[in-house]
Amino acid sequence: EIVLTQSPGTLSLSPGDRATLSCRASQSVSSNSLAWYQQKPGQAPRLLIYGASSRATGIPDRFSGSGSGTDFTLTISRLEPEDSAVYYCQHFDVSPPWTFGQGTKVGIK
Amino acid sequence: EMQLLESGGGLVQPGGSLRLSCAASGFTFASYAISWVRQAPGKGLQWVSSISGSGLSTYYGDPVKGRFTISRDNSKNTLYLQMNRLRAEDTAVYYCAKGLPTAVTPFGAFDIWGQGTLVTVSS
Repeated sequence: EIVLTQSPGTLSLSPGDRATLSCRASQSVSSNSLAWYQQKPGQAPRLLIYGASSRATGIPDRFSGSGSGTDFTLTISRLEPEDSAVYYCQHFDVSPPWTFGQGTKVGIK
Repeated sequence: EMQLLESGGGLVQPGGSLRLSCAASGFTFASYAISWVRQAPGKGLQWVSSISGSGLSTYYGDPVKGRFTISRDNSKNTLYLQMNRLRAEDTAVYYCAKGLPTAVTPFGAFDIWGQGTLVTVSS
């Protein structure tokens, strides 16, 4: 089973700041197989990034994904108040289980 | 608009059974893998099970293997999750989610999610 470890656990930043979220896999993951989601309280998750770096439909370009192998990054270039949420990574490598990371909570000061 | 709508959640005693449904609309249901993901209160997301578009391939996470069964009725655009021998640790909001296929696999990122249905296992 591939374990995804996200860091930091919590991030508190100001509007306009740059947020950098990390997702580290316990073994190499195909870049086609890494996704990022945003979840706000009381809502279902929303797909932000798939294939490590492709933005999903309707996602603002301030969200970007990068990385390969075991290290992946979600960057929010200019934080806005509505970006306050928990962010999860997930892999879809060859075999299940298709695990999620434990999440990074982003708060806006 | 592509939509998924879960139903069937509720309160059930430990050892009991429940069947969840997920009704799809706005896309060609039979063309896509669909999955169940759950979230225990205050916790993170946990992948539960996935099924291919044809229904011929199914996968389960270890915590539910042998107790839960995923199925689909493409004529009704509906996904199901039969949950048997329920335990307190199965208490969660259950989401169904549509897969975004890649060139390599039909089981890709979850691009459409339902609103979730709450399952509470308690005596």
